Amino acid sequence: DIQMTQSPSSLSASVGDRVTISCRASQIVSTYLNWYQQKPGKAPKLLIYGASSLQSGVPSRFSGRGSGTDFTLTITSLQPEDFATYYCQQSYTMYSFGQGTKLEL
Amino acid sequence: QVQLQESGPGLVKPSQTLSLTCTVSGASISSDGHYWNWIRHHPGKGLQWIGYFYSGGSTYYNPSLTSRLSVSADTSRNQFSLKLTSVTAADTAVYYCAGGREYQLNAFDFWGQGTTVTVSS
Repeated sequence: DIQMTQSPSSLSASVGDRVTISCRASQIVSTYLNWYQQKPGKAPKLLIYGASSLQSGVPSRFSGRGSGTDFTLTITSLQPEDFATYYCQQSYTMYSFGQGTKLEL
Repeated sequence: QVQLQESGPGLVKPSQTLSLTCTVSGASISSDGHYWNWIRHHPGKGLQWIGYFYSGGSTYYNPSLTSRLSVSADTSRNQFSLKLTSVTAADTAVYYCAGGREYQLNAFDFWGQGTTVTVSS
């Protein structure tokens, strides 16, 4: 199984900050890497697919980079609604998620 | 707008079968190039992909669940279903149905609201 490891597990930031969340795969996953945002009591929401493609309707302050085993999600100019938990997920071999990064105010 | 809604019992006894149904609106589950997935979120833990039904008729399961799992579809009702046998407390989770599209390599784009299933006697 491909293990996905996110860092940090939690992150404190302020409105207007730029933050970066990292995700590392235990094996090469090419660009088969997606990012999701989840708020308490809600289903995850797809932000980025294919490592760097912005899902329709997602603000451009969200961006993704990486290939192979190392990936990042960057949020520029944090907004109040961005405080949530973020997950990476690979779809190269089966499907597996990272453990999540909680972004706190 | 594609919408998904899970339904099924919220409480299942150990060793019994967990059965959930996802009703899809705004898209046909038999439309080419769509994946219809089940995913669960264990309390305090991460997300786990369970399996999918592909619009072409095939299924694919998480190897850790294959021996207990069945995912099927009823195209006349535009629904797909999950059956997980011999459940234990480890199967207690929030269960989501989610849709993905082939051109996005089955990134999980459409989600139901989730349904909590507790395994307990």
